[in-house]
Amino acid sequence: KQEVTQIPAALSVPEGENLVLNCSFTDSAIYNLQWFRQDPGKGLTSLLLIQSSQREQTSGRLNASLDKSSGRSTLYIAASQPGDSATYLCAVKGYGGSQGNLIFGKGTKLSVKP
Amino acid sequence: NAGVTQTPKFQVLKTGQSMTLQCAQDMNHNSMYWYRQDPGMGLRLIYYSASEGTTDKGEVPNGYNVSRLNKREFSLRLESAAPSQTSVYFCASSEMGLAQETQYFGPGTRLLVL
Repeated sequence: KQEVTQIPAALSVPEGENLVLNCSFTDSAIYNLQWFRQDPGKGLTSLLLIQSSQREQTSGRLNASLDKSSGRSTLYIAASQPGDSATYLCAVKGYGGSQGNLIFGKGTKLSVKP
Repeated sequence: NAGVTQTPKFQVLKTGQSMTLQCAQDMNHNSMYWYRQDPGMGLRLIYYSASEGTTDKGEVPNGYNVSRLNKREFSLRLESAAPSQTSVYFCASSEMGLAQETQYFGPGTRLLVL
């Protein structure tokens, strides 16, 4: 059974720092991996989607990498800002099982202090 | 476009009561999903609908029923609510339900069962 783990569970950094969030998964047979952002009391917003054939995706100050063979992904945030404060969720979509069955990690709660 | 909308935003029920959570999307998407999010558990798929007229069970379907009313709307019904169903419920949609697609999430319904 696929399991997704995110480390650390919480992270507090001063504004301007570069930071890395980690995601690991137990079964490397995946279609893709997504990073989402969740603000308190709000829904999820997709940040980056990496297909299994890709190594990385970039959007603005965000860069996500995928190493399928080792079951790892990282989300790199450059020059962090207080507006980046949110919970970041990693999710993988595997083969078989329920269609659309994204398996989520528990998230990393990021706090960027001014 | 409003994207994915959910009603109500918050609900308190007593054990044994029933209620229906409503979800609608205005993106002309074929596939829709219901997830629940519990502290320390991550999001888990309850039911999904690959297309209008079809529904299938996800990871945690017990205690729930769904109806795909039309292409826009996908409702989740709790027939006899239990305290274990206290959670935040998210509806999501995707264009074709293909593995490589992003899912778009609604803002969530917070349910408390006493």
